[in-house]
Amino acid sequence: DTGVSQNPRHKITKRGQNVTFRCDPISEHNRLYWYRQTLGQGPEFLTYFQNEAQLEKSRLLSDRFSAERPKGSFSTLEIQRTEQGDSAMYLCASTTAGGHVEQYFGPGTRLTVT
Amino acid sequence: QQQVKQSPQSLIVQKGGISIINCAYENTAFDYFPWYQQFPGKGPALLIAIRPDVSEKKEGRFTISFNKSAKQFSLHIMDSQPGDSATYFCAASERDFGNEKLTFGTGTRLTIIP
Repeated sequence: DTGVSQNPRHKITKRGQNVTFRCDPISEHNRLYWYRQTLGQGPEFLTYFQNEAQLEKSRLLSDRFSAERPKGSFSTLEIQRTEQGDSAMYLCASTTAGGHVEQYFGPGTRLTVT
Repeated sequence: QQQVKQSPQSLIVQKGGISIINCAYENTAFDYFPWYQQFPGKGPALLIAIRPDVSEKKEGRFTISFNKSAKQFSLHIMDSQPGDSATYFCAASERDFGNEKLTFGTGTRLTIIP
């Protein structure tokens, strides 16, 4: 399967713990996006990478959130000191450069904070 | 501020009927309007997309109608089938030559009944 993969698929954690999610984009895609989707809502943009450079972060991304994309390949999203409001589906999408091409989404990581 | 408003929230259509989902946007800088389909436990997948230089785009049973002056666009699913039962999201993005992040509507849960 050469699509976008995300791990883990599900994560249950206690409030205050740190969690890290991984996204492996389609190999030739240099652009990578993280979105968050809460129940009954559409995905909301969190952050964007072009190669290894993080070029934009949403106001939704508090200082407890950090994302990296070392070497422009896979990306990680870490949430420190999780809160119940962080419970959501975290989606990763990747695409090639240039003019409104399709963003390919992974299956997401569902985070539940108890 | 919700930049893309989607209706209805849920829709039930008989098999063979036409499903219609509507979206309205506020940001006149949006110039790309995709529709995504999402099945439970999966990430969104691109269904069809339109740019504002055309008023209609058809791909198989799926048609987007676009009204630039009204800032509205809609998805029509002809001959709806049970396999079309899913959640549909409209989205929009600006041409940024870089971060073309998607702004999603809140979704429509479509159920096709026999």
